[in-house]
Amino acid sequence: EAQVTQNPRYLITVTGKKLTVTCSQNMNHEYMSWYRQDPGLGLRQIYYSMNVEVTDKGDVPEGYKVSRKEKRNFPLILESPSPNQTSLYFCASNRDGRGGYTFGSGTRLTVV
Amino acid sequence: AQTVTQSQPEMSVQEAETVTLSCTYDTSENNYYLFWYKQPPSRQMILVIRQEAYKQQNATENRFSVNFQKAAKSFSLKISDSQLGDTAMYFCAFRVGSWAGGTSYGKLTFGQGTILTVHP
Repeated sequence: EAQVTQNPRYLITVTGKKLTVTCSQNMNHEYMSWYRQDPGLGLRQIYYSMNVEVTDKGDVPEGYKVSRKEKRNFPLILESPSPNQTSLYFCASNRDGRGGYTFGSGTRLTVV
Repeated sequence: AQTVTQSQPEMSVQEAETVTLSCTYDTSENNYYLFWYKQPPSRQMILVIRQEAYKQQNATENRFSVNFQKAAKSFSLKISDSQLGDTAMYFCAFRVGSWAGGTSYGKLTFGQGTILTVHP
């Protein structure tokens, strides 16, 4: 089954404790991106990647890092999480940035 | 930069009736795509319908159809014969159709969302 797999589904952490949210797709898609969803703001792009070793900032990149060492994986790294990063996070992929998007099932992150 | 606005935070409808969700957008691009996504309580993002800006004909998918008014930059979603399973948050989204460079490439710009409740 073609899918984007995100883990974990829920995460509660403390301020300053580094964490990684994993994202993996099995469709050989070149384009992957991360979004955060906040009430009243919709979804906003954090980072995106057009291919292996090619990443760039989206609209709200502050406090986040990403890497793309393999085509299938695109982890989101929060090196020092803060409470304002409490949000619902989605990973999405598509073939080349032009086609339809496949979303992961979301990660609910709470930073206390 | 593109913006997408959904002015209805919440809507409700009776089962089997028709409801229309509003969406307006702002862009200087001529080639772009518009989407409606559904997010049920399971949080999954599900593509409902997609419209290419260069197509004048409004897209239709079963009970879902759009009213695309390019000059007015309006993209509303009509749900006919509403069902309880249609209860969800609905997002309107925009994407440029070609790579203009910068952070626009491949990016979906979302509206704020509309919570739709279908009552039995």
